[in-house]
Amino acid sequence: SAVISQKPSRDICQRGTSLTIQCQVDSQVTMMFWYRQQPGQSLTLIATANQGSEATYESGFVIDKFPISRPNLTFSTLTVSNMSPEDSSIYLCSVETSGGAVNEQFFGPGTRLTVL
Amino acid sequence: DQQVKQNSPSLSVQEGRISILNCDYTNSMFDYFLWYKKYPAEGPTFLISISSIKDKNEDGRFTVFLNKSAKHLSLHIVPSQPGDSAVYFCAAEGDMRFGAGTRLTVKP
Repeated sequence: SAVISQKPSRDICQRGTSLTIQCQVDSQVTMMFWYRQQPGQSLTLIATANQGSEATYESGFVIDKFPISRPNLTFSTLTVSNMSPEDSSIYLCSVETSGGAVNEQFFGPGTRLTVL
Repeated sequence: DQQVKQNSPSLSVQEGRISILNCDYTNSMFDYFLWYKKYPAEGPTFLISISSIKDKNEDGRFTVFLNKSAKHLSLHIVPSQPGDSAVYFCAAEGDMRFGAGTRLTVKP
């Protein structure tokens, strides 16, 4: 298994500001992902964080709004830029590990963001 | 600390039979639970949820049961179909704690 920690666990931010969320994993993993869970909606994949190269963004998400860093195999950051109240959500870091014949996915505890 | 646990990493059932996926939690403050289904190379999609004021929620072939005293919930799929083969995640809203997932395989 993989143990994932996120910082901060929650924050309340003003419109127009930016917040960087950190994700730390206790082991080296190839695949790291960032998700968003908005109230009443399904879990949505924002992007895949690639180590040593630019993140791969899903449709509807762009690098200018959600810049991602992945400096090594255990750490990644997601920045929510120029925030608006619509960005209020829970942001989750996730990793996929290769355990034998089966890949497993694990989720961090999430960062609850409220934008005023 | 793992506040939401799925202790069975995998489950295999025959088509047409019942699939029962289990989830335990430790924090009695959790008051809303969700099940997600995930296919390979895709993100998890929401399946069904339950509030702590209920002990059962049904949606078609999917039923979720909540036992608050035991801090246990289960997802029943009846009848199981091959297309149900996926990884199922249990999550508790509060701080969105996820279980490790259970890989369900439904054999034709």
